[in-house]
Amino acid sequence: DQQVKQNSPSLSVQEGRISILNCDYTNSMFDYFLWYKKYPAEGPTFLISISSIKDKNEDGRFTVFLNKSAKHLSLHIVPSQPGDSAVYFCAASAEGSQGNLIFGKGTKLSVKP
Amino acid sequence: KAGVTQTPRYLIKTRGQQVTLSCSPISGHRSVSWYQQTPGQGLQFLFEYFSETQRNKGNFPGRFSGRQFSNSRSEMNVSTLELGDSALYLCASSTGQGTDTQYFGPGTRLTVL
Repeated sequence: DQQVKQNSPSLSVQEGRISILNCDYTNSMFDYFLWYKKYPAEGPTFLISISSIKDKNEDGRFTVFLNKSAKHLSLHIVPSQPGDSAVYFCAASAEGSQGNLIFGKGTKLSVKP
Repeated sequence: KAGVTQTPRYLIKTRGQQVTLSCSPISGHRSVSWYQQTPGQGLQFLFEYFSETQRNKGNFPGRFSGRQFSNSRSEMNVSTLELGDSALYLCASSTGQGTDTQYFGPGTRLTVL
């Protein structure tokens, strides 16, 4: 049973527009959420995180929104750039299991010039 | 600060053999987690070591084991290799305190023939 779900396997966006990647979770014990970006044959690169005590966190072009009641988080990239094209993974951890990240299956983002 | 390093980057083994993978964490990080990435299952947590002790463990058979040394470097061992063990093995390091971020290495690509 998947505890972290990314229901869109792929997303295509025009350069300069907003990219919105979505993630749903089922475990109410999750208290820390992260987004990673991954290129083939490389390790995931950390992008941005959010604690369950917040509902929004921004870092440059990246903003993560957390809706605890809906058990939903989203990553907004504005403006999207061709270099953002990669697979994006949503991950979550629960207090007491910090070393154990539960990952979604990923969303492949393609940003077209 | 140097990132997480993993050796070797690529390995080819045959069924029944065993393999040892190595991970050197970011300086000052005491937690090392291991993950397996396959096309079908995505990124799955294997185990986490903190201060030389296994702190968390995922749902993998006993053929998968690990250890951590006093300098926080970690090794992962897989015995009696099966074809299904072919995967990208990733390690990630963190401080291991509270809700902190895991930083990933480039991975070791294991192919079992």
